[in-house]
Amino acid sequence: EIVLTQSPATLSLSPGERATLSCRASQSVSSYLAWYQQKPGQAPRLLIYDASNRATGIPARFSGSGSGTDFTLTISSLEPEDFAVYYCQQRSNFLFTFGPGTKVDIK
Amino acid sequence: QVQLVQSGAEVKKPGASVKVSCKASGYTFTGYYMHWVRQAPGQGLEWMGRINPNSGGTNYAQKFQGRVTMTRDTSISTAYMELSRLRSDDTAVYYCARDYAAAGTGGANWFDPWGQGTLVTVSS
Repeated sequence: EIVLTQSPATLSLSPGERATLSCRASQSVSSYLAWYQQKPGQAPRLLIYDASNRATGIPARFSGSGSGTDFTLTISSLEPEDFAVYYCQQRSNFLFTFGPGTKVDIK
Repeated sequence: QVQLVQSGAEVKKPGASVKVSCKASGYTFTGYYMHWVRQAPGQGLEWMGRINPNSGGTNYAQKFQGRVTMTRDTSISTAYMELSRLRSDDTAVYYCARDYAAAGTGGANWFDPWGQGTLVTVSS
């Protein structure tokens, strides 16, 4: 099973600041990585798939990069609605796994 | 618009089974895999498996093999997830989530959109 590790566990930032979230895989997943956003009491929402493609309707301030084992989600300028938990997910060999999440909270 | 509406919360005793439904609308139900993902209280996300609503074919995570059954009723555009031999650590919110890409492409195994979630509580 491929294990995903996310860092930091919590990121405290102010609106307007840049957020950089990391996801590391225990072995290569090529570009088969996605990012999700989850707000309290809500279901997750797909933000980025195939490492760098924005899902339908996702604002351009969200971007993804990386391949192999190291991936990054960047939020260029935090909006108030962006404070949430972010999960990465890989899709290798029907052992789809998620990372433990990074909480982005208001500083 | 695409919408997934799940059945309501359930309380079950250890050893019992639970069946959660997920009614789809706004798209061709048979055209996209449906996945099931669960989230224990305060915890992360765990993929359980997927069903091809067209063929009925399933793929289950090894952890749930033998305990989970995913089915569908195409006449009412509804997918079901049944989990048997429930334990206290099965207490979680269970989500259905449509695959992001059409099944004809093999599916993308990215999940969007999601249902609202169904809380299943296992307690004696």
